[in-house]
Amino acid sequence: DTGVSQNPRHKITKRGQNVTFRCDPISEHNRLYWYRQTLGQGPEFLTYFQNEAQLEKSRLLSDRFSAERPKGSFSTLEIQRTEQGDSAMYLCASSQLDTQYFGPGTRLTVL
Amino acid sequence: SQKIEQNSEALNIQEGKTATLTCNYTNYSPAYLQWYRQDPGRGPVFLLLIRENEKEKRKERLKVTFDTTLKQSLFHITASQPADSATYLCALDSRDDKIIFGKGTRLHILP
Repeated sequence: DTGVSQNPRHKITKRGQNVTFRCDPISEHNRLYWYRQTLGQGPEFLTYFQNEAQLEKSRLLSDRFSAERPKGSFSTLEIQRTEQGDSAMYLCASSQLDTQYFGPGTRLTVL
Repeated sequence: SQKIEQNSEALNIQEGKTATLTCNYTNYSPAYLQWYRQDPGRGPVFLLLIRENEKEKRKERLKVTFDTTLKQSLFHITASQPADSATYLCALDSRDDKIIFGKGTRLHILP
């Protein structure tokens, strides 16, 4: 399968714990995006990378959130000291031009 | 600020009829507009992209129109089938390599 993959698909954690998600984009795509989606809402932009450079971060992304794309290939999104309000689907997408190709998402539940 | 509205949260259409979904936007002039399909628990899947200088685009049973004067896009599914039931998301580019999503419309095709 040459699409975007995300791991894990589901994560349940206790409030205050740290979690890390991974995204593997389509190999020739130089842009990688992270979104958060809650029930009944569209995906909300969090941050994006052009190759290994993080070009923009949404104000939704508090200091507890950090993302990396160390070699311009896969990316990780870490949430420190998770809160119940962080429960959501975290989506990754990659693109080369205008169209974004999404992964299946990681469903985070913070208890 | 930029605002995207999709006409309704949910839409019920009889099988075989044409489903029409609406996307309106304000305070903005996007270079292009995209439509995505999202099934429960999955990431969005790209369907069609239409640019500001295009009035209409078709793909199989799908048709998208883009009226930059009305600031509106219409998304049509002809000869609708129960398998077309899903949430459909409208997305606009923000002219800085990001796209902004609407909340989506849940479409139910009734057999």
